[in-house]
Amino acid sequence: AQSVAQPEDQVNVAEGNPLTVKCTYSVSGNPYLFWYVQYPNRGLQFLLKYITGDNLVKGSYGFEAEFNKSQTSFHLKKPSALVSDSALYFCAVRDRTARQLTFGSGTQLTVLP
Amino acid sequence: DAMVIQNPRYQVTQFGKPVTLSCSQTLNHNVMYWYQQKSSQAPKLLFHYYDKDFNNEADTPDNFQSRRPNTSFCFLDIRSPGLGDAAMYLCATSREVGKVPYEQYFGPGTRLTVT
Repeated sequence: AQSVAQPEDQVNVAEGNPLTVKCTYSVSGNPYLFWYVQYPNRGLQFLLKYITGDNLVKGSYGFEAEFNKSQTSFHLKKPSALVSDSALYFCAVRDRTARQLTFGSGTQLTVLP
Repeated sequence: DAMVIQNPRYQVTQFGKPVTLSCSQTLNHNVMYWYQQKSSQAPKLLFHYYDKDFNNEADTPDNFQSRRPNTSFCFLDIRSPGLGDAAMYLCATSREVGKVPYEQYFGPGTRLTVT
C-alpha cells in the first residue's frame, strides 16, 4: 500500500522569506512523487515530480523539492515566497506498479505581505 | 491550448435525482480519472479509464458510474445523489506509456450541490 503524510495543515510565512512544505511517504520499492497546487474553486495544477535521478527537482514558479530516500521525504521549497503563492498544496505518491496516485491531506500555505 | 474541460462548473441537483457530469480533453491522453474532493481535503479517486478499460476503486459506491464513449470524453453519472455526495468532482487525464509516470492534468472541477 502507498501513503502520504503532510504533517502541517497550515504554514504561514512572510513574503520574501523561504518556505518549506513537508511531505513524507510510504511505498514498497522506489516511489514516484509529485507536488500539486490548488487555488480556490480550481482544479489541481502540477508543480513538479521526482521519477529518478537527481534528488533535487526544479519545477514551476520557482518551486523545487528534494527527494530524501533515507528519510522518505519529498519537501517542497521556494527560496523567496510571494503572496500569490498562497494556496493549498498537495503531495502525491505512486509506487512503480500502480497507476493511481495517493494524495496527502494538503497543506494550506499563507504568505503574509 | 490543450486542456481538460469540465461542464458544468456548478451543478445543483435534488436528493435522489440522477445527475451527469462531463469531462472532455484535447490532450489526446489515454487515461482519464474521476476524483471526489470534499472541503479542501485530499482528492479521492473514484475510478479511471486506461484506454477503454474501466478500473473502479474498491470503495467507490455503486451509486457512481462512468462512461467513456471515446478518447476525448468521459462522464460521471450519479444515479441517486445523497446529501453526502455534495462535493467538488475533478476530472484528470494523463498519458501512460508502459509504466512511465506522466503527471496528471486536472480540469477546473464541477461543484455539485444536493438539495
